[in-house]
Amino acid sequence: QSVLTQPPSVSGAPGQRVTISCTGSSSNIGAGYDVHWYQQLPGTAPKLLIYGNSNRPSGVPDRFSGSKSGTSASLAISGLQAEDEADYYCQSYDSSLSGSVFGGGTKLTVL
Amino acid sequence: QVQLQESGPGLVKPSETLSLTCTVSGYSISSGYYWGWIRQPPGKGLEWIGSIYHSGSTYYNPSLKSRVTISVDTSKNQFSLKLSSVTAADTAVYYCASFLYYDSSGYYKNWGQGTLVTVSS
Repeated sequence: QSVLTQPPSVSGAPGQRVTISCTGSSSNIGAGYDVHWYQQLPGTAPKLLIYGNSNRPSGVPDRFSGSKSGTSASLAISGLQAEDEADYYCQSYDSSLSGSVFGGGTKLTVL
Repeated sequence: QVQLQESGPGLVKPSETLSLTCTVSGYSISSGYYWGWIRQPPGKGLEWIGSIYHSGSTYYNPSLKSRVTISVDTSKNQFSLKLSSVTAADTAVYYCASFLYYDSSGYYKNWGQGTLVTVSS
């Protein structure tokens, strides 16, 4: 049971827009801690996708965007491409655990 | 460009201690950043194990704290993980990563490729 809750899977056709939610609580996202997102392509290490709720590292396409509100955060991917098929994880800080917490991950399938 | 590489045994016997080292290149550990270990059991999600600052300050996942030790060797630009009394539940891909800390929070900026550790007799 992950501290941050994500849907196990989402899907969309090429060119469409999908969103992945990440729900936390008052000890993590709701306490104001930032949310970060990672993309894990099959068989590879996770890669930082979004940091500080909505910032993209250099090299990440602007098709990827993040937002946060209350105790939840969202990752949006527009103009879906086949190479976006991957697992996506959210991460934040939890004051009760005094450390990093991850969501359970969401598998994105491009139809 | 910061690069990280995990190394260590790929097979550990139950009840023994898992030991891994992460070698950092392209950046001096002493310059800043925190450094962390994260694991991923086969087919499952990511779990934070713990983090260390170059000064030696450590932070551990409460669920693993009694079995985990993370240390840093600035002379070798490495940091290490020891996990004692392992069981099959500790079988996972273990990643090391750089952690950019701010406002009591932070994110994992650079990741190693990961190393699979299997616990089995």
